[in-house]
Amino acid sequence: KAGVTQTPRYLIKTRGQQVTLSCSPISGHRSVSWYQQTPGQGLQFLFEYFSETQRNKGNFPGRFSGRQFSNSRSEMNVSTLELGDSALYLCASSPGTGRNTQYFGPGTRLTVL
Amino acid sequence: DQQVKQNSPSLSVQEGRISILNCDYTNSMFDYFLWYKKYPAEGPTFLISISSIKDKNEDGRFTVFLNKSAKHLSLHIVPSQPGDSAVYFCAAEANAGNMLTFGGGTRLMVKP
Repeated sequence: KAGVTQTPRYLIKTRGQQVTLSCSPISGHRSVSWYQQTPGQGLQFLFEYFSETQRNKGNFPGRFSGRQFSNSRSEMNVSTLELGDSALYLCASSPGTGRNTQYFGPGTRLTVL
Repeated sequence: DQQVKQNSPSLSVQEGRISILNCDYTNSMFDYFLWYKKYPAEGPTFLISISSIKDKNEDGRFTVFLNKSAKHLSLHIVPSQPGDSAVYFCAAEANAGNMLTFGGGTRLMVKP
């Protein structure tokens, strides 16, 4: 079974721009969660989508948004980029029902200049 | 307020010996705990998990122990191998919420 894939792997943007990251979950998984990793704050939960609906949300500003499509693929969007948004963005997928383990993709490294 | 803490930022162990990584948590609602291993610029790789109804779970060289009264869990790796060198994160989840809270990580170095 193919793992979680994320595109692109690397991105460079400038302040004020917006960016869209993509995540394809493991086949059959219906839940996709997004996390941000920075040296200062560590790994932090952004939001989770299940069956095209946002089911959980972390403590991030409204500039961070996402969506999920009917094939469970998910996109994350960050608008009006700030320097502090430079991070490794990780998505994780799981079956989504009951207690299950989240499996992570390789991440997208975003650099904001 | 850090709900999951890994107080040792780094640990160095000789090949073949036991590695013990520790994790403490404060939120009593956490009922599922996981350990992930991470290399730089890669996503975390799942290692092992434990539900709060158990106090031990084993998978090959990896064993996780949970002490609910102390709100403490540990990961034992026996025997340690150089390929185990990585950053290890513990994570916790409450009520099947699919929302992981991570500790800050411990860098393990296994010396040949």
